[in-house]
Amino acid sequence: NAGVTQTPKFRVLKTGQSMTLLCAQDMNHEYMYWYRQDPGMGLRLIHYSVGEGTTAKGEVPDGYNVSRLKKQNFLLGLESAAPSQTSVYFCASSYTVEETQYFGPGTRLLVL
Amino acid sequence: GENVEQHPSTLSVQEGDSAVIKCTYSDSASNYFPWYKQELGKRPQLIIDIRSNVGEKKDQRIAVTLNKTAKHFSLHITETQPEDSAVYFCAASWDGGATNKLIFGTGTLLAVQP
Repeated sequence: NAGVTQTPKFRVLKTGQSMTLLCAQDMNHEYMYWYRQDPGMGLRLIHYSVGEGTTAKGEVPDGYNVSRLKKQNFLLGLESAAPSQTSVYFCASSYTVEETQYFGPGTRLLVL
Repeated sequence: GENVEQHPSTLSVQEGDSAVIKCTYSDSASNYFPWYKQELGKRPQLIIDIRSNVGEKKDQRIAVTLNKTAKHFSLHITETQPEDSAVYFCAASWDGGATNKLIFGTGTLLAVQP
């Protein structure tokens, strides 16, 4: 099993550009999450999904959109990137919120 | 609103000493309290968790205690080793009714000096 994978690993964007981060899991998990990690700020939840076709806002959803068209995939979109979105983005998945979350390797995003 | 506070932000101990990290949470409905370890450049991984019907849980050199009345929980690492050096995150579940989620603390950088 590959577990949780993320694409791409690293990306540089210019302000105003758009991009999509892809998360895939092969563990048949219902729940999927997108976090951003900044120094001193811990892991902050951006959006999450409790099943195929569902999405919900987390702590810091502004400037991001998500989609969960297939159970195994969770996409995070930045429509107009800003320097404040420079961060490391982690995807995670779990059976329920009270079970182990398995994290992907992370995507490092730099917005100039 | 939901909130998890974690202290200290950095902790330096000598190899063999104990380390304690403390967290407090705001949602009295929280029932699940995991701890994650993140080594430098790696992804976070679960090391231990505790549920609200248990006051303490141990796994070898790691233990977690929970005080639901005071809404705080702690991670205890005994006989620390250099490989324990990492960032540790606590988290608490938040019951949003139709949906629920985990809220993470801001992390503790633990440095174990050989």
